[in-house]
Amino acid sequence: DQQVKQNSPSLSVQEGRISILNCDYTNSMFDYFLWYKKYPAEGPTFLISISSIKDKNEDGRFTVFLNKSAKHLSLHIVPSQPGDSAVYFCAASGRRGGATNKLIFGTGTLLAVQP
Amino acid sequence: NAGVMQNPRHLVRRRGQEARLRCSPMKGHSHVYWYRQLPEEGLKFMVYLQKENIIDESGMPKERFSAEFPKEGPSILRIQQVVRGDSAAYFCASSPDPDYGYTFGSGTRLTVV
Repeated sequence: DQQVKQNSPSLSVQEGRISILNCDYTNSMFDYFLWYKKYPAEGPTFLISISSIKDKNEDGRFTVFLNKSAKHLSLHIVPSQPGDSAVYFCAASGRRGGATNKLIFGTGTLLAVQP
Repeated sequence: NAGVMQNPRHLVRRRGQEARLRCSPMKGHSHVYWYRQLPEEGLKFMVYLQKENIIDESGMPKERFSAEFPKEGPSILRIQQVVRGDSAAYFCASSPDPDYGYTFGSGTRLTVV
């Protein structure tokens, strides 16, 4: 039962253009969403997060949008840079009701930014 | 301040042997999480520990897997009688508080031959 889905295994964009990575979830109890970036042979690195009480959070070149009615979130990177090439994981957690702080991850999207 | 340290980085075990994976959390972090990433998959939660306590082990396989986080020393993920299906990258993360985001280590890549 895949509660967090990233349906695009890969994405290729030109340097300077916008990268849009998508994520869908099925569990309405999720109230906190995160994006992680992962290089080969390294652990995931936190990028940006959003609480379910918001619909947008921005940090520099990274913006996350949350559409609760559609159970969909997206990560926008603009402008994209070659150093952004990595696997991006969407993750969700449900902290209400005393749930522990465990994360449910999607399967990842490999972003390749072409110079 | 060193990050989350995992060792070994790579571990090769024959079927039936035991694997011990170690995780030293960041200084000041008393909450440790273990995740497993199988080939072509996302990370899957295994277990959440605080010092000397297992808080949530809902992601741990029922047999052969155990985890501990003693009062002194690193957290240990132990896999007994390994099988080929245990081959994966095992990531540890730590946080200072359960409401904080956490920091991942670089992982241990276990290969069972």
